Amino acid sequence: AQTVTQSQPEMSVQEAETVTLSCTYDTSESDYYLFWYKQPPSRQMILVIRQEAYKQQNATENRFSVNFQKAAKSFSLKISDSQLGDAAMYFCAYRSAADAGNNRKLIWGLGTSLAVNP
Amino acid sequence: ETGVTQSPTHLIKTRGQQVTLRCSSQSGHNTVSWYQQALGQGPQFIFQYYREEENGRGNFPPRFSGLQFPNYSSELNVNALELDDSALYLCASSFSPTANYGYTFGSGTRLTVV
Repeated sequence: AQTVTQSQPEMSVQEAETVTLSCTYDTSESDYYLFWYKQPPSRQMILVIRQEAYKQQNATENRFSVNFQKAAKSFSLKISDSQLGDAAMYFCAYRSAADAGNNRKLIWGLGTSLAVNP
Repeated sequence: ETGVTQSPTHLIKTRGQQVTLRCSSQSGHNTVSWYQQALGQGPQFIFQYYREEENGRGNFPPRFSGLQFPNYSSELNVNALELDDSALYLCASSFSPTANYGYTFGSGTRLTVV
């Protein structure tokens, strides 16, 4: 079974600085999707960035980028120019690309709580 | 374009009771998934509905059941509530069951069982 591990329960960063959140996963599959979601106090999960495993190029979305290392099964999130509004819980999630009943789900890490200091 | 809306936002129930949570999917989305998020944990997959049928289920007992309606909205029903059912219940919708582009989540229903 696939697992997702986030080894940093809490992180902090100064406003305007850069921070990297770590995520590792375990799978025997070759085709899958990886996601970073942000959960602010409003509780809504907001998609930050997604990565397709068959694409070698790292995904970027404005100030957010990932370092996807498929062989190492690592998927870290880099936040540049951190803003106060970036403070939230960040979850890494895995989804198999195989479309079968048991695979139609996101598998989540435990999350990293990010504080942004002014 | 409306997002995913869930109701109610908060709910307190007594052990042994039954509860129904509701979810309206984002416009254009035909698939709805439900997740349970216990305090301090990542979400756990309950089940997914597509074309009004359950087409994926996590490790939850049969007392967790659901429905999807022709307008793609959905309900989560939990019977015989237990204290451990206290959690945030998240509904997510997607363009298709494969959800290659990710899911859109609602703000959840906070269920407390006393």
